Amino acid sequence: EIVLTQSPGTLSLSPGERATLSCRASQSVISSYLAWYQQKPGQAPRLLIYGASSRATGIPDRFSGGGSGTDFTLTISRLEPEDFAVYYCQQYGSSLWTFGQGTKVEIK
Amino acid sequence: QVTLRESGPALVKPTQTLTLTCTFSGFSLSTSGMCVTWIRQPPGKALEWLALIDWDDDKYYSPSLKTRLTISKDTSKNQVVLTMTNMDPVDTATYYCARMDGYSSTWPNFDYWGQGTLVTVSS
Repeated sequence: EIVLTQSPGTLSLSPGERATLSCRASQSVISSYLAWYQQKPGQAPRLLIYGASSRATGIPDRFSGGGSGTDFTLTISRLEPEDFAVYYCQQYGSSLWTFGQGTKVEIK
Repeated sequence: QVTLRESGPALVKPTQTLTLTCTFSGFSLSTSGMCVTWIRQPPGKALEWLALIDWDDDKYYSPSLKTRLTISKDTSKNQVVLTMTNMDPVDTATYYCARMDGYSSTWPNFDYWGQGTLVTVSS
């Protein structure tokens, strides 16, 4: 089973700043199978990025994903107030889905 | 418009069996490629994938919980049911169901989610 480790655990930034979130896999992940979700308090997760770098429907272009193999990143180019949330990476492989432990992006 | 809604008991006792129902609309589980999954989230903790069922009635389970989980579907009712046996306080969590579309560019990810239902395990 592939384990996903996200860092940092918490990112304290101000609106307008750039956020870079990391997701590291214990084994190589097929890029097509790596996704990012955003979760706000009291809400269900929302699909942000799939296939490592493709934005889901309705996701603003300030969100971008990249990486390959075992190292993936989610970048928010300029944080808007509504972007402060928890972000999870997720992968699929061998008929299993696993999530990282999440990165909280909080207002500094 | 795709929607999913979870239902089930808010409180179960230790050792009891939990039965959750996901009722959905806007798609059919008899359509090739469609899947419904269950994911849970303990309070303040991360998401954990539990089980998935596809249009062809193939079922997939988390290895760590496989012996306790059963997922099934009722296509005519647009429902997916998850049962989890031998509940323990550590199983206290919000349980979500979500959809995966095997013929969408978003495969193998979960594009629509229910609001979740909080299940507390306590005597």
